[in-house]
Amino acid sequence: DSGVTQTPKHLITATGQRVTLRCSPRSGDLSVYWYQQSLDQGLQFLIQYYNGEERAKGNILERFSAQQFPDLHSELNLSSLELGDSALYFCASSADPGLAGARYNEQFFGPGTRLTVL
Amino acid sequence: ILNVEQSPQSLHVQEGDSTNFTCSFPSSNFYALHWYRWETAKSPEALFVMTLNGDEKKKGRISATLNTKEGYSYLYIKGSQPEDSATYLCASLIIQGAQKLVFGQGTRLTINP
Repeated sequence: DSGVTQTPKHLITATGQRVTLRCSPRSGDLSVYWYQQSLDQGLQFLIQYYNGEERAKGNILERFSAQQFPDLHSELNLSSLELGDSALYFCASSADPGLAGARYNEQFFGPGTRLTVL
Repeated sequence: ILNVEQSPQSLHVQEGDSTNFTCSFPSSNFYALHWYRWETAKSPEALFVMTLNGDEKKKGRISATLNTKEGYSYLYIKGSQPEDSATYLCASLIIQGAQKLVFGQGTRLTINP
C-alpha cells in the first residue's frame, strides 16, 4: 500500500459526459501528479500540482482540468468525454524535493481509476 | 521530444532462469533514472532511483546498472520466480521548469513455472 488513494476504482460513462476523479496523496506529500495509461501506451504525464499550484503540464487535453485543494487532495476533471478517453488514470505523489532523500522525485502511485467511455 | 525506449516489449522466461532488459534514454541533461515494477491490477511501485554513471543498485534478486554517458540502464533478475511476473517501467527524470518523469512503454515479463 503506497498511501496514495484514488476514487472511484472504476467508472463507466457515456460519450459527452463529464467525470471527476479524486486523489489523496501520501501524508505529508505536497506534489500530486496525474498520468493516463491507454491501451498499448506507456504512462503519459498529464499534470502536476505542488501545494495547490499547478507546477508542470504534460500532454493534457483542453477538455481535461485539475486542481489541488488546501487539504492537498486533487481532482482531475474530464469533460466532453470521447471513446478514446477510456484509460487507466493514475495519481502519484512525491515528497518536497527540498527534503533529504526526496531530491530525485520518487513517486508513489495510487491504485488507479479505470475509466470506460461507452 | 524526450524518448525513453525499453526493450524488449515483452519477455517470457522459464522459472529459475536469469534475465535482463534495457532502458535507453537521452544522455544529455540527464538527472536521474527510475525503475518501477508494475504488477497486474496493482499500482507501479518504485524499485530503484539511479543518478550516477556506473551506479549499481540491488534489491534481493533484482539489480540495475546505469550508464549515463551512453544513455542506458539494464535491469537484471537472477533466478526468476513466478512472482517476478510484472511490467517493468523505466523513467527518465528531466527538468523542464519543474521535474518531470518521462516513462518508457515498459517490458512485460512473464515467468513460466
